[in-house]
Amino acid sequence: ETGVTQTPRHLVMGMTNKKSLKCEQHLGHNAMYWYKQSAKKPLELMFVYNFKEQTENNSVPSRFSPECPNSSHLFLHLHTLQPEDSALYLCASSLGTSGANTGELFFGEGSRLTVL
Amino acid sequence: AQTVTQSQPEMSVQEAETVTLSCTYDTSESNYYLFWYKQPPSRQMILVIRQEAYKQQNATENRFSVNFQKAAKSFSLKISDSQLGDTAMYFCAFMKHWWDDKIIFGKGTRLHILP
Repeated sequence: ETGVTQTPRHLVMGMTNKKSLKCEQHLGHNAMYWYKQSAKKPLELMFVYNFKEQTENNSVPSRFSPECPNSSHLFLHLHTLQPEDSALYLCASSLGTSGANTGELFFGEGSRLTVL
Repeated sequence: AQTVTQSQPEMSVQEAETVTLSCTYDTSESNYYLFWYKQPPSRQMILVIRQEAYKQQNATENRFSVNFQKAAKSFSLKISDSQLGDTAMYFCAFMKHWWDDKIIFGKGTRLHILP
């Protein structure tokens, strides 16, 4: 079983749809992240949750809505997206702001999103 | 704000050769952390190597080593005796403090190892 699991792996949606991406980590980590990976652009940090509290919202449009019900689960709710939102969305976890943090991120395989 | 720049979008080398991937960064901090991550095709991104800025000695992990030039704000990755399994996207990343939970990435370098 991989440490960080993302579902679905692939998602195609229209601009008026509502869908959600799910991430689950089995590593006992305190922090969870959403990154957006687009071609020829740096990985864009979207949201960070530390001990279920959001500590970063990197000016992400409100059509992306994160939810972190506990330290093991992270969701990204999608609503009225645009074609330019098509990308690979990566979830990651880390020890966060705990004293043992080495900065290492553990990534899921990503959810490939296509917005038509 | 911190930035990470990888100036080589794509590189190809023959198997068994040595290759160096470049990374520069910008920060006003004196102590920070730098990373190289590897993303194989259709597989999870994993940490390759990590460097703490207060350590002068360059980090090494088997065939992977870094050349950390703090004054020049340069952090290159050297892969020795390259193997087909090294084919991947490589990302340079920066973290400001150990208690920081934000890690900033560059655009990545796509590395092809040719048989």
